[in-house]
Amino acid sequence: AQSVTQLGSHVSVSEGALVLLRCNYSSSVPPYLFWYVQYPNQGLQLLLKYTSAATLVKGINGFEAEFKKSETSFHLTKPSAHMSDAAEYFCAVSGSRGNEKLTFGTGTRLTIIP
Amino acid sequence: DTAVSQTPKYLVTQMGNDKSIKCEQNLGHDTMYWYKQDSKKFLKIMFSYNNKELIINETVPNRFSPKSPDKAHLNLHINSLELGDSAVYFCASTLNTGELFFGEGSRLTVL
Repeated sequence: AQSVTQLGSHVSVSEGALVLLRCNYSSSVPPYLFWYVQYPNQGLQLLLKYTSAATLVKGINGFEAEFKKSETSFHLTKPSAHMSDAAEYFCAVSGSRGNEKLTFGTGTRLTIIP
Repeated sequence: DTAVSQTPKYLVTQMGNDKSIKCEQNLGHDTMYWYKQDSKKFLKIMFSYNNKELIINETVPNRFSPKSPDKAHLNLHINSLELGDSAVYFCASTLNTGELFFGEGSRLTVL
């Protein structure tokens, strides 16, 4: 079984500041890990994914995440926040075989302060 | 062209009614899902179909019945709607790489 824990249901950062959204996972098998973003009244969109290749993963909109097995973490970062980054962010985990379900964290709402 | 499309986008109905939500994907994916997102934004998987066959059923009340007429379509029928069914329902599809492509959601409000 897999699960993810997102620390902090709400995160506020100033425009231009570093964004750090935390995600820790639990998995009995080698995991695939994902970050999705949800803008208001929209579906989820993939930001980036880790599928057992490089541990530092770069995604869209300047986001990146680092897989740290020793810490069971997959934190999402962006060096400089932009107003358009305000959204709900979800970390998710699945097994590494096909057809495995994706289990989502409870989400972190990111607010950008002008 | 919309990759995963759901209809209707909004649905308001009375308790006890029966309603359906339709989903179509034009990505050629084999696997489709229904997820429920509650008012606290928590996303929970309900069903998964692979090439028209049910592969995941996550302890969902049997008032919910998915149907997949072909691998590009996955519909969700809900009988005897209850207040607790109010949520946003998301359809998604995947090529089994783990990445899900989501529709824009169908917001169901039960009065």
